[in-house]
Amino acid sequence: DIVMTQSPESLGVSLGERATINCKSSQSVLYSSNNKNYLAWYQQKPGQPPKLLIYWASTRESGVPDRFSGSGSGTDFTLTISSLQAEDVAVYYCQQYYTTQLFTFGPGTKVDIK
Amino acid sequence: QVQLQESGPGLVQPSQTLSLTCTVSGGSISSGSYYWSWIRQPAGLGLEWIGRIHTSGDTNYNPSLKSRVTISIDTSKSQFSLKLSSVSAADTAVYYCARDQGSSGRWFGPWGQGTLVTVSS
Repeated sequence: DIVMTQSPESLGVSLGERATINCKSSQSVLYSSNNKNYLAWYQQKPGQPPKLLIYWASTRESGVPDRFSGSGSGTDFTLTISSLQAEDVAVYYCQQYYTTQLFTFGPGTKVDIK
Repeated sequence: QVQLQESGPGLVQPSQTLSLTCTVSGGSISSGSYYWSWIRQPAGLGLEWIGRIHTSGDTNYNPSLKSRVTISIDTSKSQFSLKLSSVSAADTAVYYCARDQGSSGRWFGPWGQGTLVTVSS
């Protein structure tokens, strides 16, 4: 199984400041045949389902503000919110989809306003 | 755009079978290479993928739940369903249905709003 970990568990950021969330997979999620990283990021607000933000580690879903960006490759990935807005308070999850045998999510990172 | 909606009992007795249905609207459940998944989230905790199905009947299940899970699909009703047998309190969670892109990329979107299932006598 590919185990996903995230750091930090929670993060307090001032409005307008940068938020950085890290995600690590226990094995590489980079397919050498197509040079794509099989990793997605989601945002979940209280009482709501997760919302897809980013796939292929760095491709923003349509309609997602460009202050959200994803980077990384192999086993280490980062979600960055360049200028935190009040509506960005949420829990953020990474997910690997490298194997169809078991899709796994990270434990989540809670982002609050400092 | 495509919307998903979960339905089913909110309370299930221990050792019984949990049954949920997801209704797909705004698009065809049979289009493309899409797979249709169930994912759950215990209160205050993270996300656990349960399994998925394609209209061809192809299924994938989480190995930790495989012995208790059956996912089926009814294209005529634009629905897919989850059955989880021999439930216990550990199965209490919000259950979501979601679509993944299949061969185009197995990220999840859109998602249903979720339905809370409590296992209790």
